[in-house]
Amino acid sequence: AQSVTQLGSHVSVSEGALVLLRCNYSSSVPPYLFWYVQYPNQGLQLLLKYTTGATLVKGINGFEAEFKKSETSFHLTKPSAHMSDAAEYFCAVSSSGGYNKLIFGAGTRLAVHP
Amino acid sequence: DADVTQTPRNRITKTGKRIMLECSQTKGHDRMYWYRQDPGLGLRLIYYSFDVKDINKGEISDGYSVSRQAQAKFSLSLESAIPNQTALYFCATSEPGDHRELFFGEGSRLTVL
Repeated sequence: AQSVTQLGSHVSVSEGALVLLRCNYSSSVPPYLFWYVQYPNQGLQLLLKYTTGATLVKGINGFEAEFKKSETSFHLTKPSAHMSDAAEYFCAVSSSGGYNKLIFGAGTRLAVHP
Repeated sequence: DADVTQTPRNRITKTGKRIMLECSQTKGHDRMYWYRQDPGLGLRLIYYSFDVKDINKGEISDGYSVSRQAQAKFSLSLESAIPNQTALYFCATSEPGDHRELFFGEGSRLTVL
């Protein structure tokens, strides 16, 4: 069975500071990993995804994530936080078998203060 | 206009009432999904459909039913709503194949009193 754990339900950073949102996964098969962002009163949208190949994945809005198999992690980072980054972030792992079902973590709410 | 549209966006109802949440999409995708979001639990899959004739239960289908009226329309019904079905519900679509991006609607917030 696959699962995702996001460490920290709330993260608060200052504007301009490093953003680090943690995600660990469990999977018996090679994982496909995603980060989605949910802005207030909106649906989720894809930030980035890891399939195969390069372990450092770049996404939209300056975010990136690194797949570390030895640590079963896929942490999301951004060098310098903007106020507009305040949102909820979800890590997800894709199940295999042709069904394209995502298993989501519980989410991390990012607050950015001046 | 949004590619994935959900109606209603907000609904308050009473225990025992029948509720239908509707989803329509203009992305031309065959695959459609219904998820439920609860604080601290993330999103959980209720039902998914790969085409008009294919409907499958997700991890939390009890108390819910769905109808795929057309490629573009996928409705979620609560036959007899109960308070613990109070949640934010999302419809999503994707292209065929594994590990595809999901495209989400803006959500339907349901409160059951």
